[in-house]
Amino acid sequence: GAVVSQHPSRVICKSGTSVKIECRSLDFQATTMFWYRQFPKQSLMLMATSNEGSKATYEQGVEKDKFLINHASLTLSTLTVTSAHPEDSSFYICSASRLAGGPDEQFFGPGTRLTVL
Amino acid sequence: GQNIDQPTEMTATEGAIVQINCTYQTSGFNGLFWYQQHAGEAPTFLSYNVLDGLEEKGRFSSFLSRSKGYSYLLLKELQMKDSASYLCAVMDSNYQLIWGAGTKLIIKP
Repeated sequence: GAVVSQHPSRVICKSGTSVKIECRSLDFQATTMFWYRQFPKQSLMLMATSNEGSKATYEQGVEKDKFLINHASLTLSTLTVTSAHPEDSSFYICSASRLAGGPDEQFFGPGTRLTVL
Repeated sequence: GQNIDQPTEMTATEGAIVQINCTYQTSGFNGLFWYQQHAGEAPTFLSYNVLDGLEEKGRFSSFLSRSKGYSYLLLKELQMKDSASYLCAVMDSNYQLIWGAGTKLIIKP
């Protein structure tokens, strides 16, 4: 149980285009979803936290207009990287939690490797 | 500020035992997690400690001392597939995970 999927697993796009990444909880309702970014040989960096039906909470330094997050249902959250640039190339990972504001493990999706040319 | 410290890299021999330490300073504490992450993959959950003591799960054990702000992950009977990064994360008073930078574990035959 507690499986999280992400799509696509890899994407290559041209500079200036937008890319949408989907995160789905397959067998549970994800009250809270998290979006992380990980650069090579670095730890996970939390970008934003989203609760179903409400606006995402972004971490300091993360541009909310550039990284659009939608958590429309208890099983789906999307991250859209708008006007992508080469420095946005990274490994984007989503995770989901069954609880909002409670001690529950986060179940991670397999990640999306974004390359912006 | 909030801080999680763990060694950057460790090397061990197949079949041996290795202990990966993690010290933390956070605003509040609601548990400590250990995750395993293979290169190019997402993290997978290993353990969760919220009370002091040792939690054993097969070849992996995790220890917590809240008074010392200290945890360790113990891996026994090391296998080549255990080569990965091990991430320590603490859940603070806002139930937000604070992540360490990870310890890259290299297993040699």
